[in-house]
Amino acid sequence: EAGVTQSPRYAVLQEGQAVSFWCDPISGHDTLYWYQQPRDQGPQLLVYFRDEAVIDNSQLPSDRFSAVRPKGTNSTLKIQSAKQGDTATYLCASSFDGGSQNTLYFGAGTRLSVL
Amino acid sequence: QQKVQQSPESLTVSEGAMASLNCTFSDGTSNNFRWYRQHSAKGLEVLVSIFSDGEKEEGRFTAHLNRANLHVSLHIREPQPSDSAVYLCAVSMSNYQLIWGSGTKLIIKP
Repeated sequence: EAGVTQSPRYAVLQEGQAVSFWCDPISGHDTLYWYQQPRDQGPQLLVYFRDEAVIDNSQLPSDRFSAVRPKGTNSTLKIQSAKQGDTATYLCASSFDGGSQNTLYFGAGTRLSVL
Repeated sequence: QQKVQQSPESLTVSEGAMASLNCTFSDGTSNNFRWYRQHSAKGLEVLVSIFSDGEKEEGRFTAHLNRANLHVSLHIREPQPSDSAVYLCAVSMSNYQLIWGSGTKLIIKP
């Protein structure tokens, strides 16, 4: 069974540039999460979806970040105007049903550097 | 607000010796505890999930939960150099509310 797939693996930007990250979750998983992981820290939730619906985006900087999952499968996270503080690894995870005892499975992440 | 702290920040263990990692949390009503491993340039891999006090074994990995002491630990039996990675503890009442520690960097010396 294929795992969670993310692309690109790396991105290097100048401040003010835009970037998009793509995620393909495990087939059949209805819940998809985007996390931001700064260096030497644990992941921090940005947004999560159940099917195509956003369930919680309260930690997503809405002025520059956006996330969609139009068909309830793949998802895209976009940063409109990157800042140096956005430098981090962006992780996508998926699970079935989002229940408290269901395991999150993570992709390898996209490592973003903003110069 | 749940707070999760891991110790030590870094740990070096000889191959074959037991490795023990610690995680403390602030909210004793949490019921969902997971240990993940993160190799450099790889995603997070779940090792053990534990939901009630006591022990849970998954191969060479054993988690021990004591909610009264606000403590969950991970013990790695017969560690190998390939087990060198960052180990992360995650605590929550539900998946989307996972609160993570900042990790323990484990190095296994041959």
